[in-house]
Amino acid sequence: DTAVSQTPKYLVTQMGNDKSIKCEQNLGHDTMYWYKQDSKKFLKIMFSYNNKELIINETVPNRFSPKSPDKAHLNLHINSLELGDSAVYFCASSPRQGGQPQHFGDGTRLSIL
Amino acid sequence: AQSVTQLGSHVSVSEGALVLLRCNYSSSVPPYLFWYVQYPNQGLQLLLKYTSAATLVKGINGFEAEFKKSETSFHLTKPSAHMSDAAEYFCAVSDRGFGNFNKFYFGSGTKLNVKP
Repeated sequence: DTAVSQTPKYLVTQMGNDKSIKCEQNLGHDTMYWYKQDSKKFLKIMFSYNNKELIINETVPNRFSPKSPDKAHLNLHINSLELGDSAVYFCASSPRQGGQPQHFGDGTRLSIL
Repeated sequence: AQSVTQLGSHVSVSEGALVLLRCNYSSSVPPYLFWYVQYPNQGLQLLLKYTSAATLVKGINGFEAEFKKSETSFHLTKPSAHMSDAAEYFCAVSDRGFGNFNKFYFGSGTKLNVKP
């Protein structure tokens, strides 16, 4: 059973389009995260939700909007896609308490044409 | 803010040789420390973690790491490299204390190449 699953795995689209990435975890965790990994493999936290409440909101263009319908799901919607949005986006989850490992999905590779 | 430094973006070793990947953190209060591995086209997988117990931590796949407070370091080692260890390795830290929401700060990663 997949612990953190993301869909789609690959997303190829045109500049200016709007797209969504979905994430679900079956670990019973309270906290979920979105990361962006660029071409140099650098990982940057974008957002985090704890039990459907936004708790981390880094400096991200407001074209990116997360949504958490329940604590097992965290989706990412991106409006007006730009070339610089091309990256791998990872979803992760963890218990709320500090010091707990985050569990990662396999990523969504977004390519903007 | 916390920062994590991984010295050496690329490390190359021969099969059977010692693997040493370096990680240093910046905070004066020792944080929680983690090592993750990323294989091509996959997500990050936890190798090991240090919370507050023994300073030498053993992880999966024969890896271990030692926390050294005086050096603010958490270097990852493996006595004998296997071809299957070739991957990207990330060090991550999370600050202690209430209200930190388990926020992780990642190093820039080290790509390990294992030569036959």
